Amino acid sequence: NAGVTQTPKFRILKIGQSMTLQCAQDMNHNYMYWYRQDPGMGLKLIYYSVGAGITDKGEVPNGYNVSRSTTEDFPLRLELAAPSQTSVYFCASRPGLAGDEQFFGPGTRLTVL
Amino acid sequence: DAKTTQPTSMDCAEGRAANLPCNHSTISGNEYVYWYRQIHSQGPQYIIHGLKNNETNEMASLIITEDRKSSTLILPHATLRDTAVYYCIVRPANTGFQKLVFGTGTRLLVSP
Repeated sequence: NAGVTQTPKFRILKIGQSMTLQCAQDMNHNYMYWYRQDPGMGLKLIYYSVGAGITDKGEVPNGYNVSRSTTEDFPLRLELAAPSQTSVYFCASRPGLAGDEQFFGPGTRLTVL
Repeated sequence: DAKTTQPTSMDCAEGRAANLPCNHSTISGNEYVYWYRQIHSQGPQYIIHGLKNNETNEMASLIITEDRKSSTLILPHATLRDTAVYYCIVRPANTGFQKLVFGTGTRLLVSP
């Protein structure tokens, strides 16, 4: 299994541009999560999904959108990028109610200038 | 939800046991204690979790005090690769992982 994969690894955006951060998992996990981590800080939850077609907001959803059309993929969309969105973004997945371990991807480092 | 308090940083000599404390004095009866770690620039990695009994796996041991107000993560023979930020997190049993709060953790430095 590749586990949780994220693309791209790095990206620089200009203010006002849009982009989609890709996340995929091949473990057939129901639950998927998007976090952001600012320098020297802990992780903050942006959005999460409990299964295909079901998503919900986390702690810091403003400026982001998600979709979950398949079990495997959970893309994060940034519309109108702002400098405050400069961060490292991590995607994670978990099997479901019986699974207590979250598996994290390697992260995407985004800079908005 | 219970909050946790951890030291900002700790040092450990390679080959020695690393004991990382966590205070969660407001924990309630149905809240689990989780430990994750984050090696520089990588995604967090699950280590272990427990409710009230001590737990051990291939990575570490988790010791929870009888009153559950604190816990200690033990890495029995620390290696240089254990240098990371360690997060202690409390999660209510009846909520999903969307309620996990990753604080700033303890930065463990393992030296030769």
